[in-house]
Amino acid sequence: EVQLVESGGGLVQPGGSLKLSCAASGFTFSGSSMHWVRQPSGKGLEWVGRIRRKGNNYATEYGASVKGRFIISRDDSKNTAYLQMNSLNIDDTAVYFCTRDTEAFDIWGQGTMVIVS
Amino acid sequence: QSVLTQPPSVSAAPGQKVTISCSGSSSNTGNNYVSWYQQLPGTAPKLLIYDNNKRPSGIPDRFSGSKSGRSATLGITGLQTGDEADYSCGAWDSSLSAFVFGTGTKVTV
Repeated sequence: EVQLVESGGGLVQPGGSLKLSCAASGFTFSGSSMHWVRQPSGKGLEWVGRIRRKGNNYATEYGASVKGRFIISRDDSKNTAYLQMNSLNIDDTAVYFCTRDTEAFDIWGQGTMVIVS
Repeated sequence: QSVLTQPPSVSAAPGQKVTISCSGSSSNTGNNYVSWYQQLPGTAPKLLIYDNNKRPSGIPDRFSGSKSGRSATLGITGLQTGDEADYSCGAWDSSLSAFVFGTGTKVTV
């Protein structure tokens, strides 16, 4: 079964750090670009950033609101993507999803909640 | 921070049709593919349409997508109560080098 499972969410104080993981299974993880998307409670989807595959030199891009604070990485040997979040503020409170990018975001994880308070 | 504009809500009776617009600019919807996502309450988004008008395997043909200029449209025919959800469009923005989502539309049946 094709699946993404996020973990690592929780409660963190403003200014703190947290690292999320996204474990993939059922597909060739190394061949896929991976994205992170977040959604504050009751609000719309916001793109956080992406990491491309080895063939694209693992290039990363980030949304304006997280650039310089968040870092996306991946370990293809573990079929896992990561989101390192630093200097967190209350506006970062949201459910964080990882998603696979093929033609579009075709596979999504269930999400993990991050509360900055 | 949404760059793409959608109506906040649309509604119609069961069996009827609704359309949802998604308006952007030349740097996103105007020159890049648009995708559409359905999000049922409390669940992760689900891909409905990609490359403006293509449906992934398993998505019924009641859902359709189109694009003209800088605007894209999602159509849902034969509305069912199970279609009540939030719908968001998205596209890559070449100027921002970022993916941008629409403001989201709540569909009520």
